[in-house]
Amino acid sequence: AQSVTQLGSHVSVSEGALVLLRCNYSSSVPPYLFWYVQYPNQGLQLLLKYTTGATLVKGINGFEAEFKKSETSFHLTKPSAHMSDAAEYFCAVSEVPGTYKYIFGTGTRLKVLA
Amino acid sequence: GAVVSQHPSRVICKSGTSVKIECRSLDFQATTMFWYRQFPKQSLMLMATSNEGSKATYEQGVEKDKFLINHASLTLSTLTVTSAHPEDSSFYICSAPDGTSGRYEQFFGPGTRLTVL
Repeated sequence: AQSVTQLGSHVSVSEGALVLLRCNYSSSVPPYLFWYVQYPNQGLQLLLKYTTGATLVKGINGFEAEFKKSETSFHLTKPSAHMSDAAEYFCAVSEVPGTYKYIFGTGTRLKVLA
Repeated sequence: GAVVSQHPSRVICKSGTSVKIECRSLDFQATTMFWYRQFPKQSLMLMATSNEGSKATYEQGVEKDKFLINHASLTLSTLTVTSAHPEDSSFYICSAPDGTSGRYEQFFGPGTRLTVL
């Protein structure tokens, strides 16, 4: 069965510093992986996804993530944090395409310090 | 494209009443929709999979008689919380995959905040 682990429920970075949010997964089939961002009292917005092909995936707002099969990881990074990046971030893995059923990690709250 | 809406965005009700939440795919058809529940500062927990024209599939531990799901058309799924109690207060989010896009992703509604007094 698939599962997702996000290390660090809270991450704080200074404005302009590197953002690194960790996500590890387990899956018995080639995974489809996603990162979503959630602002307070709102739904989820897709940042980026990995399905097949290039393992380094670029998303919106300057975020990117790299699928590393050997490490079963899909960490999210951004070179320079902005105050507007403060939000909750969720990593998710989907089951076999066609079901679209996601398993979410527990989330990481990113705080950006001025 | 691929917009999902929810209505209402916020609802407050008295204990014992029933509340209906609508989830609509605005510009695509969705044979499947998903309903999630999110407690404060926690992750999304899948409650059920809504299937157009057939019964919903509930996750383990979710009471199907408590959370009634109806997927009446290819663009509308409803979640009815029956005889709501304060412990049902939560943020409910729906999502729908756009299977025609080939993008293998779900599109999420903005959520409904339910408060049961």
